[in-house]
Amino acid sequence: AQRVTQPEKLLSVFKGAPVELKCNYSYSGSPELFWYVQYSRQRLQLLLRHISRESIKGFTADLNKGETSFHLKKPFAQEEDSAMYYCALSGSRDDKIIFGKGTRLHILP
Amino acid sequence: EPEVTQTPSHQVTQMGQEVILRCVPISNHLYFYWYRQILGQKVEFLVSFYNNEISEKSEIFDDQFSVERPDGSNFTLKIRSTKLEDSAMYFCASSLSGGYSGTQYFGPGTRLTVL
Repeated sequence: AQRVTQPEKLLSVFKGAPVELKCNYSYSGSPELFWYVQYSRQRLQLLLRHISRESIKGFTADLNKGETSFHLKKPFAQEEDSAMYYCALSGSRDDKIIFGKGTRLHILP
Repeated sequence: EPEVTQTPSHQVTQMGQEVILRCVPISNHLYFYWYRQILGQKVEFLVSFYNNEISEKSEIFDDQFSVERPDGSNFTLKIRSTKLEDSAMYFCASSLSGGYSGTQYFGPGTRLTVL
């Protein structure tokens, strides 16, 4: 079954502390993994994707095929990072994106 | 920067009524999608559309749903006879290319409330 699991509904982190948002996936084949972010009152937007191996706004994510994980990390949280974060995947021939339920990240001052 | 737009932002309808949700994708994009998010649940894929036909659809996208690209700019989702469980946020997205190589850009969503 194709599935994305984000175990935390809410994560509260103090400003300046490291952030790790967990994501595990289930997919038969080699999917592309994404992180989408939705800031308050804004649209869903792509934060980063595995294939591009970029660091966006200080966030990185490493694909661990053995553990089928794609955790999102940032060494020092900033208040503007408060948002809803969705882990997602897509198959190589698929058009659809399969989303996790999302984790609300709340950065405490 | 070009964006996907959606109208209306909020639609309230009575059960059994037909609704049409409208989207204007980014102008040079070729692939179009609808997703929905029921309150408290995950964003779910409904349908993808390319070259004037449906390329993929989910189990949710039954005979009550249809999509259309009536002109060169709009992309619509029609629900023929709305049910209470159709209440959700509906997101349109578009991409320049398909598959996972194409980045999907999302609209702001239309909140559909079925009474």
